Amino acid sequence: DIQMTQSPSSLSASVGDRVTITCRASQRITSSLNWYQQRPGKAPRLLIYAASTLQSGVPSRFSGSGSGTDFTLTISSLQPEDFATYYCQQRGTFGQGTDLEI
Amino acid sequence: EVQLVESGGGLVQPGGSLRLSCAASGFTFSNYWMSWVRQAPGKGLEWVAQIQHDGSAQYYVDSVRGRFTISRDNAKNSLYLQMNSLRAEDTAVYYCAREGSGTVFVYWGQGTLVTVSS
Repeated sequence: DIQMTQSPSSLSASVGDRVTITCRASQRITSSLNWYQQRPGKAPRLLIYAASTLQSGVPSRFSGSGSGTDFTLTISSLQPEDFATYYCQQRGTFGQGTDLEI
Repeated sequence: EVQLVESGGGLVQPGGSLRLSCAASGFTFSNYWMSWVRQAPGKGLEWVAQIQHDGSAQYYVDSVRGRFTISRDNAKNSLYLQMNSLRAEDTAVYYCAREGSGTVFVYWGQGTLVTVSS
């Protein structure tokens, strides 16, 4: 089974910062790599699919890139509502999550 | 507007059974693959089970295979998860999710909490 490892596991940042979260697969993946945001007590929300395609309604400060085994989620200028947990996902496997904290 | 509303969660003893339901609206349910994803308290997301749009194929994570059964009723726009032989480690919020192309979870319900405890 392919393992998905996110780094860092947690990250402290400030409003206006640019942050990058990395997701590494244990082997090359050929299916869609997706990113989700989860705020406390809420259901996850799809942000990015197929590594770099922004889901409808998601602010353009979110972007994704990567291929093969290495993928990144970038938030260009953090807003207060962006402090949440972020997950990558490929098929039936999620990364362990990255907590983005103020 | 796409809506997914889960129900059926609750407290159950180890070894017991529970059936979760997910009522779908706002889209043509029979056109989409669906999944259940769970989240144990304070933990990350774990995909549990998936069903093809017409119900002809189902897939499970190893830890629930043989104990859980995913099914759907396209006439009722409903998704189900029958959970048998429940264990403490099955305690989680269970979300139903509508998939897009390539196993991407596009829409999520609000979740229903299952607690397995004596």
